[in-house]
Amino acid sequence: SAVISQKPSRDICQRGTSLTIQCQVDSQVTMMFWYRQQPGQSLTLIATANQGSEATYESGFVIDKFPISRPNLTFSTLTVSNMSPEDSSIYLCSALGQSRNTIYFGEGSWLTVV
Amino acid sequence: GENVEQHPSTLSVQEGDSAVIKCTYSDSASNYFPWYKQELGKRPQLIIDIRSNVGEKKDQRIAVTLNKTAKHFSLHITETQPEDSAVYFCAASISQAGTALIFGKGTTLSVSS
Repeated sequence: SAVISQKPSRDICQRGTSLTIQCQVDSQVTMMFWYRQQPGQSLTLIATANQGSEATYESGFVIDKFPISRPNLTFSTLTVSNMSPEDSSIYLCSALGQSRNTIYFGEGSWLTVV
Repeated sequence: GENVEQHPSTLSVQEGDSAVIKCTYSDSASNYFPWYKQELGKRPQLIIDIRSNVGEKKDQRIAVTLNKTAKHFSLHITETQPEDSAVYFCAASISQAGTALIFGKGTTLSVSS
């Protein structure tokens, strides 16, 4: 099994600033994904993080607002840019194991924008 | 792309009763259907999953059924307990293709004693 570590676990951010969330997996995985969970809502897929190339974004999410990197198979970052209170959410990193049979989630990064 | 619908959005039962949550999906290529339980302030936790080569799977008090023809799957919780109170999410993906999970909107289950 894989363990996903996310940093920071929580943060309070000033509007207009940007924050980068890191996601580290302790073993090789195939796919990595980023989700957003707004208060009282379900998980919404932001993008698929592609190793060494630009992420694939879902409708409603753009690279300028949510730049993503994945420099290697086990690490990815998500930046939330120019934050507003509407960006207050849990951001979750997810990964698909090498067997493609198991999906793992990180603990989440709880962001509050004030 | 995949679209997952989940019903009901809220469900209240008495302790000991059964609870059923239903989901439908749109992409006939989807073959992996997990259910997650999320307690307040915590990340979603996988409670049971089913793949398209089986129609039913059971784990103690929880079971999941899948009807591929109708493109729907259901979570069944028997003998509910207050600690079953949480938000439950269904999801679907094409596992071998490496697609991401697409989630339903969630069901808030309340079990009263």
